[in-house]
Amino acid sequence: QKEVEQNSGPLSVPEGAIASLNCTYSDRGSQSFFWYRQYSGKSPELIMSIYSNGDKEDGRFTAQLNKASQYVSLLIRDSQPSDSATYLCAVNYDYKLSFGAGTTVTVRA
Amino acid sequence: DGGITQSPKYLFRKEGQNVTLSCEQNLNHDAMYWYRQDPGQGLRLIYYSQIVNDFQKGDIAEGYSVSREKKESFPLTVTSAQKNPTAFYLCASSTTGSSYNSPLHFGNGTRLTVT
Repeated sequence: QKEVEQNSGPLSVPEGAIASLNCTYSDRGSQSFFWYRQYSGKSPELIMSIYSNGDKEDGRFTAQLNKASQYVSLLIRDSQPSDSATYLCAVNYDYKLSFGAGTTVTVRA
Repeated sequence: DGGITQSPKYLFRKEGQNVTLSCEQNLNHDAMYWYRQDPGQGLRLIYYSQIVNDFQKGDIAEGYSVSREKKESFPLTVTSAQKNPTAFYLCASSTTGSSYNSPLHFGNGTRLTVT
């Protein structure tokens, strides 16, 4: 199984602040990278995908990819209480996705 | 609306019994997957199928079996050989084999408890 490591958390941020989530992966051949959000007791939902080096922005979310360093990150700007969830990093290899253990984010009002 | 339906939502079984979890999708996706999630852990791949009548073992296939007789359906059987079957089971699908531009879409999951 290919390794996907995430900063363990939990991460607590005040409302309105930036939450920064990090993920490293072991397979240099990986081409597709995803961030999923999972609320407690629910299934994961896709929030971001990124395939090329650099930044990709979607609303308050920014994904950053550095294939040379095998590193992908997610920034959540202007954090809201509704962003409180576990964030899963997923990396493709051989037509499958390997997931990290997740980082739990709590946004405090 | 298109989506993935897993049933039942909660399932309770006695140790030693086989149990089958249902997964149906109407997204016309070719690939389907079964993942297992334990508390505080990420998702681990059990089995996956890229086309009808073909499937491959994932990272933790021991004690599980699957079939893919129809494109829409990918049931998972948890056998009595699975040593720690209590977990949250997630079925997913994608348009291709989870390669470039093919994220997974998940069902709502089945929480299995074996006592």
